[in-house]
Amino acid sequence: ETGVTQSPTHLIKTRGQQVTLRCSSQSGHNTVSWYQQALGQGPQFIFQYYREEENGRGNFPPRFSGLQFPNYSSELNVNALELDDSALYLCASSLQRSSGNTIYFGEGSWLTVV
Amino acid sequence: KQEVTQIPAALSVPEGENLVLNCSFTDSAIYNLQWFRQDPGKGLTSLLLIQSSQREQTSGRLNASLDKSSGRSTLYIAASQPGDSATYLCASFTGGFKTIFGAGTRLFVKA
Repeated sequence: ETGVTQSPTHLIKTRGQQVTLRCSSQSGHNTVSWYQQALGQGPQFIFQYYREEENGRGNFPPRFSGLQFPNYSSELNVNALELDDSALYLCASSLQRSSGNTIYFGEGSWLTVV
Repeated sequence: KQEVTQIPAALSVPEGENLVLNCSFTDSAIYNLQWFRQDPGKGLTSLLLIQSSQREQTSGRLNASLDKSSGRSTLYIAASQPGDSATYLCASFTGGFKTIFGAGTRLFVKA
């Protein structure tokens, strides 16, 4: 049990729709990062938030956006969903990730786009 | 650009066998390397974190080593058990926000 919780656990959306995924970080952690994991692959970094500011982004288009709130919880929003967006979306929290601290993952949100 | 490779992609061993999983990375300027376990359809569970100044870390039957000069890390599992069956992923951290994962090794331990 890492203390990182994600919702919803599973959802199905239609191509072109928008989706919001939510993450509550472990108590005291100020850094949240989001990853996309396609079947049979390792997680791919989407972006990271530190104290409510995005401070790093991977190779994902602008239709992937996020927020971090004062309590350090976070949202991942994906607009104009495509079939290739079907994946497991993982949230990870840490304390000052830039210092090389351990990251802790939630159980993920399974997104299927049809 | 950091690339992380894990070999083998899949491994099947009988119960009780000692085994080694390999992880290689192209950029040796890493802050740390972390090993994770992932059960089917689940999130990642952190197993071991090795800082760049360390050469190995141990937790129970698990031992992870790090050789920055050769760009390699290994995860040694002693006396494997069926409950060890899972996918094992390594991830390198090169500072800032850059955590790069390998594709994982799927391990199956036969009873």
